[in-house]
Amino acid sequence: KAGVTQTPRYLIKTRGQQVTLSCSPISGHRSVSWYQQTPGQGLQFLFEYFSETQRNKGNFPGRFSGRQFSNSRSEMNVSTLELGDSALYLCASSSGQLGGPGELFFGEGSRLTVL
Amino acid sequence: GQSLEQPSEVTAVEGAIVQINCTYQTSGFYGLSWYQQHDGGAPTFLSYNALDGLEETGRFSSFLSRSDSYGYLLLQELQMKDSASYFCAVRRLDSNYQLIWGAGTKLIIKP
Repeated sequence: KAGVTQTPRYLIKTRGQQVTLSCSPISGHRSVSWYQQTPGQGLQFLFEYFSETQRNKGNFPGRFSGRQFSNSRSEMNVSTLELGDSALYLCASSSGQLGGPGELFFGEGSRLTVL
Repeated sequence: GQSLEQPSEVTAVEGAIVQINCTYQTSGFYGLSWYQQHDGGAPTFLSYNALDGLEETGRFSSFLSRSDSYGYLLLQELQMKDSASYFCAVRRLDSNYQLIWGAGTKLIIKP
């Protein structure tokens, strides 16, 4: 079955602009989570959605927001971009069921460059 | 607080065995997971320990000891392609079951 699809793969923006990133999870998966990763850094958790509800949120400013649609597709938005927002943004989907491996399947990411 | 500690970097020789540790300070959680990420790639799931003990998957094994708040990933017969970053993660039983990640261990393999 198809994997997690993120669009766009690459994008360049300037400071002050906003950006919307999209993620289509694996069919049947109800949970989508988003991560920010900068070079040499770990996975910084942004938020997690399950059945259109935000289940968890990381320690990011309010400029970072997200949502999940009824078909489980998710979008994240970053407003008023700053240079420090340049990063790889990863989306991961899972079944959302708790108590088991809860294996996350990651997309290839959207690489954002802010100039 | 809730955190997972991993060494930032580990170096090993091709063909050898290496152990990557993950110690945690968190209250009840579902099991311990491990992910691998090659440079420029996306993380991929490696293993999961729900219970204490050793889980083996080919050249990779993972261990969990809840009483010692400790787990590790063991890689045997190292190959150059194993050069990657390895992340441990646990999902908390409370706080909306948030997934907590270690900062990752960069494994460097020398010929």
